[in-house]
Amino acid sequence: DGGITQSPKYLFRKEGQNVTLSCEQNLNHDAMYWYRQDPGQGLRLIYYSQIVNDFQKGDIAEGYSVSREKKESFPLTVTSAQKNPTAFYLCASMPGGNLAKNIQYFGAGTRLSVL
Amino acid sequence: GESVGLHLPTLSVQEGDNSIINCAYSNSASDYFIWYKQESGKGPQFIIDIRSNMDKRQGQRVTVLLNKTVKHLSLQIAATQPGDSAVYFCAEKSGGYNKLIFGAGTRLAVHP
Repeated sequence: DGGITQSPKYLFRKEGQNVTLSCEQNLNHDAMYWYRQDPGQGLRLIYYSQIVNDFQKGDIAEGYSVSREKKESFPLTVTSAQKNPTAFYLCASMPGGNLAKNIQYFGAGTRLSVL
Repeated sequence: GESVGLHLPTLSVQEGDNSIINCAYSNSASDYFIWYKQESGKGPQFIIDIRSNMDKRQGQRVTVLLNKTVKHLSLQIAATQPGDSAVYFCAEKSGGYNKLIFGAGTRLAVHP
């Protein structure tokens, strides 16, 4: 069953705590993305990675960190520096290369709340 | 600056009617556009895409229209069904490599 798996579905963070959101894909896609979605709003790009061992900041990277040690995995850490982490987090992937099409495929999301 | 926005935040339609969801974009250099559907609590799902060298593309019950003169994109859904109720996002390919810019979304509510 191919696709993008995000876990956990729900996550709670205590003040001052770092938490890590998992994103795994078995689509053999080169590029992976993390977005944040706030209620009633669109998607904002946090970080993206075009290839293993390389990643770039998106529009709202402050307070977040990522790694891309394996092609299949792109975990996102929400650090204590992120003062307003409550949101719905979406991971996406896309085949690599400079494609004319940029269809990103999304996971089911992780909802993060602050205790 | 680059931005993608929507004219209507909420659209209510009767079951069986046609729906039209609109989107305005500001970057005239954008060359590729996508429509996504997002159901409550789920990730966005690809619906249809269009390149800037086209002005119309049809899928199953959906049509995307692109008007580059006024930088406007629309999604038409024929014979709208209750299962079409969701938030619809348009996205444009930005100048950056393999990056998309998403609009704020339009909620489509289908009433029996």
